[in-house]
Formats: sequence, C-alpha cells, structure tokens
Amino acid sequence: DGGITQSPKYLFRKEGQNVTLSCEQNLNHDAMYWYRQDPGQGLRLIYYSQIVNDFQKGDIAEGYSVSREKKESFPLTVTSAQKNPTAFYLCASSQQNRDRGRHYGYTFGSGTRLTVV
Amino acid sequence: LAKTTQPISMDSYEGQEVNITCSHNNIATNDYITWYQQFPSQGPRFIIQGYKTKVTNEVASLFIPADRKSSTLSLPRVSLSDTAVYYCPLGGRRALTFGSGTRLQVQP
Repeated sequence: DGGITQSPKYLFRKEGQNVTLSCEQNLNHDAMYWYRQDPGQGLRLIYYSQIVNDFQKGDIAEGYSVSREKKESFPLTVTSAQKNPTAFYLCASSQQNRDRGRHYGYTFGSGTRLTVV
Repeated sequence: LAKTTQPISMDSYEGQEVNITCSHNNIATNDYITWYQQFPSQGPRFIIQGYKTKVTNEVASLFIPADRKSSTLSLPRVSLSDTAVYYCPLGGRRALTFGSGTRLQVQP
C-alpha cells in the first residue's frame, strides 16, 4: 500500500543536540512538506519542497534544516538553534501543483512527537 | 497570505447535521477551497475540495457562495467518530496555510 511514513514516533532531545526526523513516501509525489503543531494549535509550515534538490522556507524555518536528495525522502533536522522544539511534527506529500491554484490533496504521515529533556 | 477564520468549537449530537463555516475574505482567484479532518495525535486527513457552488462526496458536502469569501462544510448525520478538529486551509502554488481549526464534539 502506498503511504507516507514518519519515524520515530517519539523522540527525546537533550539541550544543545541536533536531531533528525525521517519522512519517506512511496506515493510518487513530487511535493513534500513539514509542519509543526503545538498543543491545541493549528499547523505551521516549516519547509516545503516541490521537486528534488529544491526546497523553500515556510513561516517558521528558523532553527530547522531540510534536504531533498531523493523524491521519496524529506528529512527534517531540528538544530540546537531551535529554542523551543517540543512539538508534534507532521510530514505530508502531494502531487506537484502544476495547475494554477488546483489543490491535490495532501497525504499526511502519523507524526513524530519531539520532547526536550 | 490569505487567512481563514473558523469557530473555535462546536457541539452536536449523534444523528444531527453539522455545518461548519470558514471565512476567507482574501482568497486568491486561483485558490481551491479544501477541508481536512484531524483526530488527536494523527495527521490531518483530506475530506473535500471545491472551487465554487456545491460539491458532494461520500462523507460531506461543501457549499461555496458566488463571492467565494466563505465556505460551509456540511456533515450529515454525525456520529461519535466525527469528533475531531476540522480545518479549511488555503494555499495554491505555495503550500497550505492552516488556521486553528474548529473542534467538533459529538455527544451521544
């Protein structure tokens, strides 16, 4: 079955440590996205990539980095520069939006819950 | 960026029809209107999308007036399993921008 897989499900980070969240999809989607969700809040866009080897900052990119070396993979690194990283992180993918404004439904992963200890 | 406004929460009972309205005054001409459902500790799930007038699928209907400044998600005969947060993100060529959503609580 096609889908999008995030790992690990739970992650604990020590102060000053970098951690990498994995996101893999086998849906043959061109576009991939990272969102952050805080308790009781909506989703905020961190980074997105519409094609391999290219990505753009979202609304809250500071303290995060990404790479898109393969179509299937879009890992997110939470660096020590991110002062409040405790949150629920969601990865999504979709077909590339080649039609102006046309929306291709996002498929989301099951998320990674990151906690600073 | 276009911004959406939704009620923070709604309550309903099993078997009732629920209508959730989203205001999007600054929607771009090319933006489609989409709705997502999210259960606790899960990623959102795409429900329905439309551009104008009415769209219906197996789980919901979407009503969009001619000026497209708002949209209404209609859930017929809700059940306890429809208790969730509902979002009406906007986007287009960039990426979807999600607001805080509407928390729907369905009571027995």
